[in-house]
Amino acid sequence: NAGVTQTPKFQVLKTGQSMTLQCAQDMNHEYMSWYRQDPGMGLRLIHYSVGAGITDQGEVPNGYNVSRSTTEDFPLRLLSAAPSQTSVYFCASSYSTSLVGGEQFFGPGTRLTVL
Amino acid sequence: AQKVTQAQTEISVVEKEDVTLDCVYETRDTTYYLFWYKQPPSGELVFLIRRNSFDEQNEISGRYSWNFQKSTSSFNFTITASQVVDSAVYFCALSEAGIYNQGGKLIFGQGTELSVKP
Repeated sequence: NAGVTQTPKFQVLKTGQSMTLQCAQDMNHEYMSWYRQDPGMGLRLIHYSVGAGITDQGEVPNGYNVSRSTTEDFPLRLLSAAPSQTSVYFCASSYSTSLVGGEQFFGPGTRLTVL
Repeated sequence: AQKVTQAQTEISVVEKEDVTLDCVYETRDTTYYLFWYKQPPSGELVFLIRRNSFDEQNEISGRYSWNFQKSTSSFNFTITASQVVDSAVYFCALSEAGIYNQGGKLIFGQGTELSVKP
């Protein structure tokens, strides 16, 4: 199992450019999420998905789009990059049971700089 | 509203000291889950523990122990006999249960940066 993979690891964009951060998991997890990490603010939820075809907004969704066409993939799209989107982005996935909260498995992160 | 507060931004200890990282949470749900994650300097997030709201037993895993107290909405983490390798940022997180959220949405605290000096 590769677990949760993210590409690219590093990216530099110019203001106004668009790009897609890729996330894939091979654990057949239902839940997938995107978080951003900024200094002093912990991780904040951008978007999440409870299964293929179902997505919803998290705490900081503005400027980002997601889709979930397969169980395995959950790409995050930046529509028009802004310097405020400079951050480290983490993708996570988890299984779900009705008895316990699922442990979230995190990818290695993508460090994005917007100039 | 859900909220997780880690009031200690930075802690510095000398190796072999015990250290406790505080975590206070707010939630209206009666069923929820609490987590601790470690983020070493390499940047990845390492899962340490998950606790559900119905299980108030304290847990010990080697040098790590966790004290969950619903009465004070706290889920504190203690490292006994700290080591340099424990240097990292530690995050406490909360997830509320629901039909579509059994661990899928985490609310993180701001993190506590622990520095263990030799």
